Amino acid sequence: DQQVKQNSPSLSVQEGRISILNCDYTNSMFDYFLWYKKYPAEGPTFLISISSIKDKNEDGRFTVFLNKSAKHLSLHIVPSQPGDSAVYFCAAKDAGNMLTFGGGTRLMVKP
Amino acid sequence: ETGVTQTPRHLVMGMTNKKSLKCEQHLGHNAMYWYKQSAKKPLELMFVYSLEERVENNSVPSRFSPECPNSSHLFLHLHTLQPEDSALYLCASSQDWRGLNTEAFFGQGTRLTVV
Repeated sequence: DQQVKQNSPSLSVQEGRISILNCDYTNSMFDYFLWYKKYPAEGPTFLISISSIKDKNEDGRFTVFLNKSAKHLSLHIVPSQPGDSAVYFCAAKDAGNMLTFGGGTRLMVKP
Repeated sequence: ETGVTQTPRHLVMGMTNKKSLKCEQHLGHNAMYWYKQSAKKPLELMFVYSLEERVENNSVPSRFSPECPNSSHLFLHLHTLQPEDSALYLCASSQDWRGLNTEAFFGQGTRLTVV
């Protein structure tokens, strides 16, 4: 049973608009969440993270929101750019444990 | 120079072959990992090494054998694999394997095809 789920395998967005990628988790012990971005033929690269003591973390065009009561987090990219087209992985960890990844969402930003 | 380097990038092997995947990290990290990414599946953690000692083995079949000779190098020895083992194998490293703020840095992966 997957503890971290990304229910949308793909998302298509127009350049300049907002991209919203969603992630749900089931383990209430997770207290740190990360987003990774993966281009074809490359390994995932760290993008942004959030601790469970926060509900929002912003870094430039990227903002991650955390709703602990709903066990849900989301990544907002605004404005979206064609170079943002990639697979985005949500990951979570609890204290003293390794990362648990979601299945990924493929984002396509159309010019 | 990338922080985590994997070789080879692509590998095709028969079910009776023996091959090894290599990973090297230049980040001074203490922990290294092997992940498997199969089509339409989440990244699966296979092994974790911390300071050259294996600290996690996620029920991986014995046909996969990891080796960590030092904190900068990690190998995955493969023998008598099955076609369903075909996947992208990713190596990663992090400063430590426990605690917060241990983002993992990934290599580019080895695309393995078992025929």
